[in-house]
Amino acid sequence: DTGVSQDPRHKITKRGQNVTFRCDPISEHNRLYWYRQTLGQGPEFLTYFQNEAQLEKSRLLSDRFSAERPKGSFSTLEIQRTEQGDSAMYLCASSLVRGLNTEAFFGQGTRLTVV
Amino acid sequence: GEDVEQSLFLSVREGDSSVINCTYTDSSSTYLYWYKQEPGAGLQLLTYIFSNMDMKQDQRLTVLLNKKDKHLSLRIADTQTGDSAIYFCAGAINQAGTALIFGKGTTLSVSS
Repeated sequence: DTGVSQDPRHKITKRGQNVTFRCDPISEHNRLYWYRQTLGQGPEFLTYFQNEAQLEKSRLLSDRFSAERPKGSFSTLEIQRTEQGDSAMYLCASSLVRGLNTEAFFGQGTRLTVV
Repeated sequence: GEDVEQSLFLSVREGDSSVINCTYTDSSSTYLYWYKQEPGAGLQLLTYIFSNMDMKQDQRLTVLLNKKDKHLSLRIADTQTGDSAIYFCAGAINQAGTALIFGKGTTLSVSS
């Protein structure tokens, strides 16, 4: 396993369209996270899964956003009715719970541009 | 709420030491992390320090933690041009460590 994989790497969409991103975590990692990063900023936490359960969601995750991890392996992040403000890099990370250390490994991200 | 601040830019010459500083407002994080981001690449975990430690050394990297002042620093010895990147410090929003909060990142520029 070479790391966290995200698809697609780039997505350009028209405002109002729906988009879906996929993340494949490192095998056997039971936690999966989604972050959003805009230009000049650090990543911002969106949500995380412990296996298939979505346990925490940030206030940044509006009703237009939905994330799933149906079998506790890969995850999808869908944005409905995209807005220009959704343009950002969407980062996925995974970790193996080991005590209190959350050593998260990040994918290369999906860059979304809403035109 | 939690806030993490970093200086935005640092420029050094090859071979010099680089020190990247970070301050945070909430000390509930059990671990504090340093990530590196190169253009077009994802975040790479460089090192981390347990909140009960003052210092951690890992090859060319030295992390110093001053809990009283809520100050974290990353020292890179013998900085190389390949170290040019954006460096983020991060801490957990909660003790469970299920969500990280990042600073805005420090852009390190290394000139030869």
